[in-house]
Parts: sequence; structure tokens; C-alpha cells
Amino acid sequence: GQQLNQSPQSMFIQEGEDVSMNCTSSSIFNTWLWYKQDPGEGPVLLIALYKAGELTSNGRLTAQFGITRKDSFLNISASIPSDVGIYFCAGRPPNNAGNMLTFGGGTRLMVKP
Amino acid sequence: ETGVTQTPRHLVMGMTNKKSLKCEQHLGHNAMYWYKQSAKKPLELMFVYSLEERVENNSVPSRFSPECPNSSHLFLHLHTLQPEDSALYLCASSQERGRVTEAFFGQGTRLTVV
Repeated sequence: GQQLNQSPQSMFIQEGEDVSMNCTSSSIFNTWLWYKQDPGEGPVLLIALYKAGELTSNGRLTAQFGITRKDSFLNISASIPSDVGIYFCAGRPPNNAGNMLTFGGGTRLMVKP
Repeated sequence: ETGVTQTPRHLVMGMTNKKSLKCEQHLGHNAMYWYKQSAKKPLELMFVYSLEERVENNSVPSRFSPECPNSSHLFLHLHTLQPEDSALYLCASSQERGRVTEAFFGQGTRLTVV
């Protein structure tokens, strides 16, 4: 099946720094979603992207749907301690019945105050 | 009420036990999913129900048995599990309408098989 390569696998940054992570695929996707998961909780949707080239912001978060439809990135500006968690990208390929999503392996973000 | 609610939050069961996980969504969605999340692995899709019919069974062992009695409720019946089945089991729901595909997750059930 299709796979999403998410990088980096983990990041340890200083509070106030900007963060960038991305997902790539060998095949195209119609939808890109970014989720955040806190320890012991389910993933929470942050941003949804539906159109190639689309750039969408949610507070300090910005995500883009790559022009080739094979990648997406998520940026977090001015990180704060509560940004700690695991960030997942997810994509929906074309002609996909049942709205099934493929997930990346996650980026674990750690923020040092 | 939260959008997607899972119970129990934690479950410890023996390999000969039978238990069930429950999921309820209050979002009016028409599709529901079970995912398995193991340490250091991507989320694995297990089952998909769309309009209360199962549309995907991702080669999941028969010791996992899903049930979707209506569009708001989803169960995962467990029997004779193995220790490697210990994981976080996540339920999600979405509304199938055109291109909109956001899936909303519950908080998960942390399952430990002893």
C-alpha cells in the first residue's frame, strides 16, 4: 500500500524557535491532514488541505499542500512548551473508498523552556 | 459531550478473556473506523464502516471482531488475544460528503494483554 515518509522523526528545540516538518509520498494524494497527539490521548486535527498549492494557517501553525500533490509541510512559529507532542500527517489518495487515510510515522516534538 | 467517546480508557485482559471496546460519536458522521497504534509504528487502519456497512478489513486477525449497530456506535469485540495485541486502539469518525475527509478521533483505549 501507499506509504507516507514523515521527517524528522523527532526534534528537540528551544522554546521560541520555529519548527518545520514534512511528509512525502511516491504517489499523489487528494487531501493532506495534520494531527497532533498528546500522550495518552487520541490525535486532534490541526489543519486540513484539499488543493495543490493551498497554504492554510491555524494560529501559529501553517501547512501547505505541495504543488506535486506528493508532499506537505507543517510549520510552527515561536514554539511554546505546550507544543510538545507527536505530529502526524495523513493523506487520502485518489479513488479511495471509505475515506481511508494513510498516516505518516509521526514527528515527536520536544520543547525546552 | 466530546465528539468521539471511547470506553474504557484502559483495559487489562488475560489471553482467555472476552472483552469489548465501545465507541460513540456525537458528530452526525456516517463513517467510523478502528485504528491500532503500537509503539514506534504508524497508525494501522483495522476496520472501516461506511453507512453502517463494513467496507474495509485490513487483514485483521479474526480474534478482533467489529460491530456497527448504527451510525453512532462502533464496537470492537476481543477474544483470545495475544500479548502483541497490546496497543492503543483508536476510534475515529468522518462524514462522507464529496472531498471532505477530516477524521475525528476518540481518546483511545489503552489495551494490555497479559
